[in-house]
Amino acid sequence: DQQVKQNSPSLSVQEGRISILNCDYTNSMFDYFLWYKKYPAEGPTFLISISSIKDKNEDGRFTVFLNKSAKHLSLHIVPSQPGDSAVYFCALYGGGSNYKLTFGKGTLLTVNP
Amino acid sequence: DSGVTQTPKHLITATGQRVTLRCSPRSGDLSVYWYQQSLDQGLQFLIQYYNGEERAKGNILERFSAQQFPDLHSELNLSSLELGDSALYFCASSVDGGTNTGELFFGEGSRLTVL
Repeated sequence: DQQVKQNSPSLSVQEGRISILNCDYTNSMFDYFLWYKKYPAEGPTFLISISSIKDKNEDGRFTVFLNKSAKHLSLHIVPSQPGDSAVYFCALYGGGSNYKLTFGKGTLLTVNP
Repeated sequence: DSGVTQTPKHLITATGQRVTLRCSPRSGDLSVYWYQQSLDQGLQFLIQYYNGEERAKGNILERFSAQQFPDLHSELNLSSLELGDSALYFCASSVDGGTNTGELFFGEGSRLTVL
């Protein structure tokens, strides 16, 4: 039972353009929706999050959108930079007594110079 | 540097053997989480400890066990190893398992290869 789906295993964009990463989920019980970034040979690092009571959160070049009715989460990166090339995981957290972070399988973003 | 330390970084062993992976959380963090990342898989939640007690359990096999010690470091024990156990095992920590917003701090992982 895959609660979090990232349907695009990979995405390639040109430097300076917008990168849009998508994530769909099935369970509406989660309190927080997050994006983590992972470089090779490193652990995931937190990037940005959004509370279930909001629909948008912005942090510099990164914006996360939450569409609860569609159970859809997206991450926009504008402008994309080569250093953004990494695997991006969406993750869902909390809800009731659920303290675990549930991850999608990730999307490999490649930003070409 | 996340402040979470995992040892060993790499481990090669044979089927049927037992290994222990160790994790030291960030200073002040009470919760420790263990995740498994297999080839082409996302991060699968295994287990969480909060201040020495088990808080949540995921898809952890019966051959696997974990504990968190009084000094808050944690160990993940994997026994009767099979080829399919080859994976990256991540440890993460957070300040509090109850009021957290999902921001975890991950170590660099322990890569286990079972031959």
